Amino acid sequence: DTGVSQDPRHKITKRGQNVTFRCDPISEHNRLYWYRQTLGQGPEFLTYFQNEAQLEKSRLLSDRFSAERPKGSFSTLEIQRTEQGDSAMYLCASSLSRSLYTGELFFGEGSRLTVL
Amino acid sequence: AQSVSQHNHHVILSEAASLELGCNYSYGGTVNLFWYVQYPGQHLQLLLKYFSGDPLVKGIKGFEAEFIKSKFSFNLRKPSVQWSDTAEYFCAVNAALDYGGSQGNLIFGKGTKLSVKP
Repeated sequence: DTGVSQDPRHKITKRGQNVTFRCDPISEHNRLYWYRQTLGQGPEFLTYFQNEAQLEKSRLLSDRFSAERPKGSFSTLEIQRTEQGDSAMYLCASSLSRSLYTGELFFGEGSRLTVL
Repeated sequence: AQSVSQHNHHVILSEAASLELGCNYSYGGTVNLFWYVQYPGQHLQLLLKYFSGDPLVKGIKGFEAEFIKSKFSFNLRKPSVQWSDTAEYFCAVNAALDYGGSQGNLIFGKGTKLSVKP
């Protein structure tokens, strides 16, 4: 499968613990996005990278959240001192950036976080 | 700030019925518009998109959408739904840039769940 892959698919943790999610984008895609989706809501933008540069961060991304894409390939999203309100599906997507950019984001299947 | 409104939370139809899902966006500039679909247990995938040109765009599986600039709308339609169309549908928008590219992040609506009865 050459699509976007995310790991782990499910994570259950206790409040106050740290968690890290990994995303491997489609290999030739230089843009990588993180979204969060809760029940009954559409995906909410968190942040995105073009190559290794983090170009935009949402106000939803509190100080407890940090995302990296050190070599412009895979990315990690870390949540420190998790809270019950962090329980959600964390979606990763990738795309190409060019002058004829089509705007299509390719999504992974998501990492579901449950904070007890 | 950009925002997207989807009018229906849950739509229930019988097979062969016609479908129209409403989507309105709020943004002062030029936008690119998308409909994504999420089938049960699957990831989000693109259904169709509008960047410029003919405001009536056709997507996969017989879906189409019409961009009406004056109404800030991009409604999704299908003349005859099938049981396999049961899914959640998301309208999304991002800001278009002058050179033909787009601002990175997509803003999504809350989604409309479609249930098709066989």
